[in-house]
Amino acid sequence: AQSVTQLDSQVPVFEEAPVELRCNYSSSVSVYLFWYVQYPNQGLQLLLKYLSGSTLVKGINGFEAEFNKSQTSFHLRKPSVHISDTAEYFCAVRERVTGGGNKLTFGTGTQLKVEL
Amino acid sequence: DADVTQTPRNRITKTGKRIMLECSQTKGHDRMYWYRQDPGLGLRLIYYSFDVKDINKGEISDGYSVSRQAQAKFSLSLESAIPNQTALYFCATSPRSLNTQYFGPGTRLTVL
Repeated sequence: AQSVTQLDSQVPVFEEAPVELRCNYSSSVSVYLFWYVQYPNQGLQLLLKYLSGSTLVKGINGFEAEFNKSQTSFHLRKPSVHISDTAEYFCAVRERVTGGGNKLTFGTGTQLKVEL
Repeated sequence: DADVTQTPRNRITKTGKRIMLECSQTKGHDRMYWYRQDPGLGLRLIYYSFDVKDINKGEISDGYSVSRQAQAKFSLSLESAIPNQTALYFCATSPRSLNTQYFGPGTRLTVL
């Protein structure tokens, strides 16, 4: 089974500073990777996804992530954060299930807190 | 109107009670999922359904059951609620390609 590790449960950062949220996945022949964001009292929203092709993926709200196969990582970055980026961020990997379907396995989440 | 809706949004119940959480979607997706979210544990898959006649257990299905009444409706039941089922529950849908899952707003369930 696939797994995803988010080592940082909380990341505090000042507004306008850069931020990196780390995600490592278990090795597989091919992986589809996702970052979701959960704003307070809301459901999850897709930030970006890596399916194939360019290893640098750009998402919404100025976020980007880089797929690194040798390090089995898919870290999320933003060069300058805003107060409104305060949220919980989840990394996820797609894995196949019996019967030919797919499901997502999520990491435990990283709480990004942006301070003035 | 929201594409994925969940009812109720909040529910407080007592140990031993039966409770049903409902999910409806207007996206026309075949696939639907139920997750629970607990602090520090992320989202864990309870059940998933790839079409009306296909129901599958996820990683934490014990104590839960589901019903796929139609393509657009997927209900989660707790036959006899217990306090450690207190959590935030999310429904999600996806097209067959599973390039994206679309989440509902969540149901906050408290079992006393």
